[in-house]
Amino acid sequence: SAVISQKPSRDICQRGTSLTIQCQVDSQVTMMFWYRQQPGQSLTLIATANQGSEATYESGFVIDKFPISRPNLTFSTLTVSNMSPEDSSIYLCSVEERERDTQYFGPGTRLTVL
Amino acid sequence: AQSVTQPDIHITVSEGASLELRCNYSYGATPYLFWYVQSPGQGLQLLLKYFSGDTLVQGIKGFEAEFKRSQSSFNLRKPSVHWSDAAEYFCAVGAVLLAAGNKLTFGGGTRVLVKP
Repeated sequence: SAVISQKPSRDICQRGTSLTIQCQVDSQVTMMFWYRQQPGQSLTLIATANQGSEATYESGFVIDKFPISRPNLTFSTLTVSNMSPEDSSIYLCSVEERERDTQYFGPGTRLTVL
Repeated sequence: AQSVTQPDIHITVSEGASLELRCNYSYGATPYLFWYVQSPGQGLQLLLKYFSGDTLVQGIKGFEAEFKRSQSSFNLRKPSVHWSDAAEYFCAVGAVLLAAGNKLTFGGGTRVLVKP
């Protein structure tokens, strides 16, 4: 399976600032996904990112708050903008290996907003 | 819309005992079903998956799961639990959408504690 890395692994940020999370894959993949895992909760899909097209956001998530870039087939970024304490979560990226119809996850970025 | 229910929020099991985690799904067609494990401070690791065929699937770390269409269930089992199995377990259902990939919907998770 693909090897996925995320940067940073964790961060503590001040209210009102923005943080960009990077997701790097060791192979070319078409589909990348961004999830949020709030404390003690399950995973919620934020958006699906295809290379060369606009990200598709799930209900409750908007581009102004969570802009996503997908410049090539191995890399994506998620920005959490104008952060508030409610944004404190683990953010995970995943990739889909189409030949396996399976998603594999990165290690996550643990964000704390003060 | 698809949904996944994991009825047990916490399960405590003694080391060496058997473990069964419940998962019920709602989906209008034949689902793609997955079990992932999340160890403390880690990302999600795929344990096993079911797409079609044999309803009993084997996964990594000695886990298996059985798909029962009549009960809309996909329960995870392990015959003998090790202390390293203490983690959170997530069941997920996938909908194959050509335009958006295999979107996953996750259950709420079951936290497993292993007693010595």
